[in-house]
Amino acid sequence: EAGVTQFPSHSVIEKGQTVTLRCDPISGHDNLYWYRRVMGKEIKFLLHFVKESKQDESGMPNNRFLAERTGGTYSTLKVQPAELEDSGVYFCASSQAPHQPQHFGDGTRLSIL
Amino acid sequence: AQSVAQPEDQVNVAEGNPLTVKCTYSVSGNPYLFWYVQYPNRGLQFLLKYITGDNLVKGSYGFEAEFNKSQTSFHLKKPSALVSDSALYFCAVRGSTLGRLYFGRGTQLTVWP
Repeated sequence: EAGVTQFPSHSVIEKGQTVTLRCDPISGHDNLYWYRRVMGKEIKFLLHFVKESKQDESGMPNNRFLAERTGGTYSTLKVQPAELEDSGVYFCASSQAPHQPQHFGDGTRLSIL
Repeated sequence: AQSVAQPEDQVNVAEGNPLTVKCTYSVSGNPYLFWYVQYPNRGLQFLLKYITGDNLVKGSYGFEAEFNKSQTSFHLKKPSALVSDSALYFCAVRGSTLGRLYFGRGTQLTVWP
């Protein structure tokens, strides 16, 4: 089966611009998660979708971040406007059920200049 | 509150020797514990999990982990290290909120020939 795919793999933008990250989960996985790792620190949870609904968005840093999962398939994470501290690697993961292991994509490396 | 600690940023071991990567956790309720491995420029790959049952859990690539409830530890082990095991290893615990993972900072394992 195809794994979790993320696009783009790298993005370099200037402070104040907008960036949209995309995640395609494994087919049939209702649960989709976004995480972020800032350089050298731990991986932190951002939010969790069950199908198209936000199950838990307590990890979203502020209202500059907007996640959607229209139709319960792929998800997008938009950062608008981007700030320097948003730099890091954004991971997407999916699982069939919440108690099952999460399968991760290769991540999007976001650099804000 | 849920948290994970990986006390060693780096572990170095000679090929053929046993390896241990340490992890301790704090969680309310029963712990659901995971180990993931990350190779350069790739996503996290699931290695093994502990949900319940036998304290010694076997996973992919010859890795195993020992759950110790009294010490709140979940150390990753392998009897004989390979150079190809060199990677970044993350311990994670699932929180009381279904699905969300809490990660440690990661331990860089280097196996030298």
